[in-house]
Amino acid sequence: DQQVKQNSPSLSVQEGRISILNCDYTNSMFDYFLWYKKYPAEGPTFLISISSIKDKNEDGRFTVFLNKSAKHLSLHIVPSQPGDSAVYFCAASTTDSWGKLQFGAGTQVVVTP
Amino acid sequence: DAGVIQSPRHEVTEMGQEVTLRCKPISGHNSLFWYRQTMMRGLELLIYFNNNVPIDDSGMPEDRFSAKMPNASFSTLKIQPSEPRDSAVYFCASSLVGLTSGSVDSYEQYFGPGTRLTVT
Repeated sequence: DQQVKQNSPSLSVQEGRISILNCDYTNSMFDYFLWYKKYPAEGPTFLISISSIKDKNEDGRFTVFLNKSAKHLSLHIVPSQPGDSAVYFCAASTTDSWGKLQFGAGTQVVVTP
Repeated sequence: DAGVIQSPRHEVTEMGQEVTLRCKPISGHNSLFWYRQTMMRGLELLIYFNNNVPIDDSGMPEDRFSAKMPNASFSTLKIQPSEPRDSAVYFCASSLVGLTSGSVDSYEQYFGPGTRLTVT
């Protein structure tokens, strides 16, 4: 069963605007969440993460928000740049199974000039 | 710094043949992970090691798959015999994980470029 869901397979955004990527999860035991970016023919690259004890984490243009009651997290990219065009994966884990990252299906982001 | 190194980058083989995928983790990392990515199932964890010891292999699809980590700088994923449904991109990842009294200090995993396997 898919415990991490990214329901939007694609997102198109203009350069300079905000990109908002969403992720929902079903397992209330998840206590750590990560976002990865993937370019074609490359492996996923770690982007940003958040612990369940926080509701926001920011790193430069990237901010992740966590809403535990809704079992929902989002990634905001501001401002979006052409180099941000990639597939973005949401992942989640528990302390007990720290090595088992559960990945969502990914969202393809295209940033247009 | 060298990242995770995987070889070969592409592998084409015939059904029934043995396939061996190789991975060199980032130096100093103590955990290694093997993933498979397919259109149908997405990115799924097959097995992971901590300090060269397999921790969880529940994601290994069947007995045809086996993984070893003989030392801290090398791991293999073997498929014998291979089948067309094994065609996928296989990723290796590594991380430095500190485990203290039930807490984890890092969940981030660093991925290699992957091996694209095609079984005909």
